[in-house]
Amino acid sequence: QPVLTQPPSASASLGASVTLTCTLSSGYSNYKVDWYQQRPGKGPRFVMRVGTGGIVGSKGDGIPDRFSVLGSGLNRYLTIKNIQEEDESDYHCGADHGSGSNFVVVFGGGTKLTVL
Amino acid sequence: EVQLVQSGAEVKKPGESLKISCKGSGYSFTSYWIGWVRQMPGKGLEWMGIIYPGDSDTRYSPSFQGQVTISADKSISTAYLQWSSLKASDTAMYYCARRGYWFDPWGQGTLVTVSS
Repeated sequence: QPVLTQPPSASASLGASVTLTCTLSSGYSNYKVDWYQQRPGKGPRFVMRVGTGGIVGSKGDGIPDRFSVLGSGLNRYLTIKNIQEEDESDYHCGADHGSGSNFVVVFGGGTKLTVL
Repeated sequence: EVQLVQSGAEVKKPGESLKISCKGSGYSFTSYWIGWVRQMPGKGLEWMGIIYPGDSDTRYSPSFQGQVTISADKSISTAYLQWSSLKASDTAMYYCARRGYWFDPWGQGTLVTVSS
């Protein structure tokens, strides 16, 4: 099964842009990844799914147009433009693997985004 | 509105049993998988397992197999996560989430504290 790696922290100034990265382990370059936002003290919420061709399906409810994704090789990126205070959150990536009795879901360690 | 509402916070002693719940509304409960995710204090997300309430087909993460039991009562649109003998290391926030192609939406979380 894949391993997802995320940098533990990132920061960006109000109004700037930031790109968060989720890296799949070798051999899983065709996998799609789901991004989740978790605001302080809240449960996660779905942002969007990304494959090598970009977004897969639609964004989660209430996710603004400032959020976009790209995929390249083993990396899956979440870009936030014109960062707002409410974007300060933990961002988790997840992927599923296998099917039937071998189905698993794996998550990265999460990236804490600080808005300066 | 699709919603998952989880039961309230619990404080238990080591060795005690516990069953927490996740009630779905606003959609056909028997047509979607429900997953459970653990988040230990200050840590990332860990997938525990998933159940299809339509036929109670259940899959577990190898890390949680034998440690917890996932079940569902489709007559009341409710999924459950239970422990037969809690440990201090089970202290965490537990989330349920509906699974279509991804986890969306998520419940508000149930905080479980295990302390002597």
